[in-house]
Amino acid sequence: AQSVTQLGSHVSVSEGALVLLRCNYSSSVPPYLFWYVQYPNQGLQLLLKYTTGATLVKGINGFEAEFKKSETSFHLTKPSAHMSDAAEYFCAVSDGRGSTLGRLYFGRGTQLTVWP
Amino acid sequence: GAVVSQHPSRVICKSGTSVKIECRSLDFQATTMFWYRQFPKQSLMLMATSNEGSKATYEQGVEKDKFLINHASLTLSTLTVTSAHPEDSSFYICSARSGGLANEKLFFGSGTQLSVL
Repeated sequence: AQSVTQLGSHVSVSEGALVLLRCNYSSSVPPYLFWYVQYPNQGLQLLLKYTTGATLVKGINGFEAEFKKSETSFHLTKPSAHMSDAAEYFCAVSDGRGSTLGRLYFGRGTQLTVWP
Repeated sequence: GAVVSQHPSRVICKSGTSVKIECRSLDFQATTMFWYRQFPKQSLMLMATSNEGSKATYEQGVEKDKFLINHASLTLSTLTVTSAHPEDSSFYICSARSGGLANEKLFFGSGTQLSVL
């Protein structure tokens, strides 16, 4: 079974500061890991995903995440926050195999606020 | 880019009535769609996987007779909440899958807020 824990339902940073959103997962099989962003009144958009290969994954809008198997983590970072990054971020896990591809298990989400 | 349209965005209904939510893939064919629900302060929970032309696969604990899913075409899946009760009030989100195993992508609708009085 898969599950995701996002530490911190709210994170606030100043514009230009480092963004760190934490995600830990549990999976009985090698996981596929995802970060999604949701802006108000919009659907979830994929930021980045890890399936296999390089453990440091770069996504859109300057975000990146590193898969650390030993820590069962997939934290999302961005070196310098921008006002437009304010949104809700969801970490998700999938076992990514066969007919279950696309069945995602989400964390509770982290609301990112960026102060000017 | 690919867009998934979900309607309505918000619906208020009386207890005991049924509500239908539509999920359409606008510029691609989606053989598989997924339905999620989200309670306040909780994570999105997968309810069911909807496959075009076949019966939906429901997650454990989800009542298939209460949450009817129809995926009659490659661009449309519907979720009907039958005999809705206040505890069914939630945020429902659909997603549609495009591509094959090698280039699979998921696109999400903007969600439907259901309030049952």
